Amino acid sequence: DAGVIQSPRHEVTEMGQEVTLRCKPISGHDYLFWYRQTMMRGLELLIYFNNNVPIDDSGMPEDRFSAKMPNASFSTLKIQPSEPRDSAVYFCASKGGGLLQPQHFGDGTRLSIL
Amino acid sequence: GQQLNQSPQSMFIQEGEDVSMNCTSSSIFNTWLWYKQDPGEGPVLLIALYKAGELTSNGRLTAQFGITRKDSFLNISASIPSDVGIYFCAGQQGGSEKLVFGKGTKLTVNP
Repeated sequence: DAGVIQSPRHEVTEMGQEVTLRCKPISGHDYLFWYRQTMMRGLELLIYFNNNVPIDDSGMPEDRFSAKMPNASFSTLKIQPSEPRDSAVYFCASKGGGLLQPQHFGDGTRLSIL
Repeated sequence: GQQLNQSPQSMFIQEGEDVSMNCTSSSIFNTWLWYKQDPGEGPVLLIALYKAGELTSNGRLTAQFGITRKDSFLNISASIPSDVGIYFCAGQQGGSEKLVFGKGTKLTVNP
């Protein structure tokens, strides 16, 4: 079975540029989560969706960050404009309905802003 | 915000040794999860705990959900080189889909 698929795996860009990260959740999963991982702060939840609707975006650091889920099989996390402090590994995770269902993570996008 | 205190931060052990790591919190959680992350990959679920006092095994791994619901531990018996990685605990509160993660325990196993 295909897991959560993220692209690109690596992204290097200059500050000020727009960055778009992509995620394809596991088919049939109706929850999708975006996380950021840094050495200093560990794994932090940015936003999550249920049935394509954003439920909690309290972890989104600032207005430069936005996330969308136009359909059940695709989500994007966009940073515009990007800054060096946005450098991190960004993970997408998905889960099925029911609180006992675990989250399954993709392999992440390693983002470097120069 | 909520925090999980995970310890130790890192461990260096010899192959064949047993390992123990734990997580504590000032908040009550209804679910405790243990994940492992290999370099360049996302976290993979190892064990999920849903009841206070629950003890669950997955091969050489054993995890327990503390009675107070504020802590959990993970044991690995007879470690092998492929156990190398970062182990994370995560807590989930009742009625919420959000996970709070610990900072991780980095395990190094010397052959």
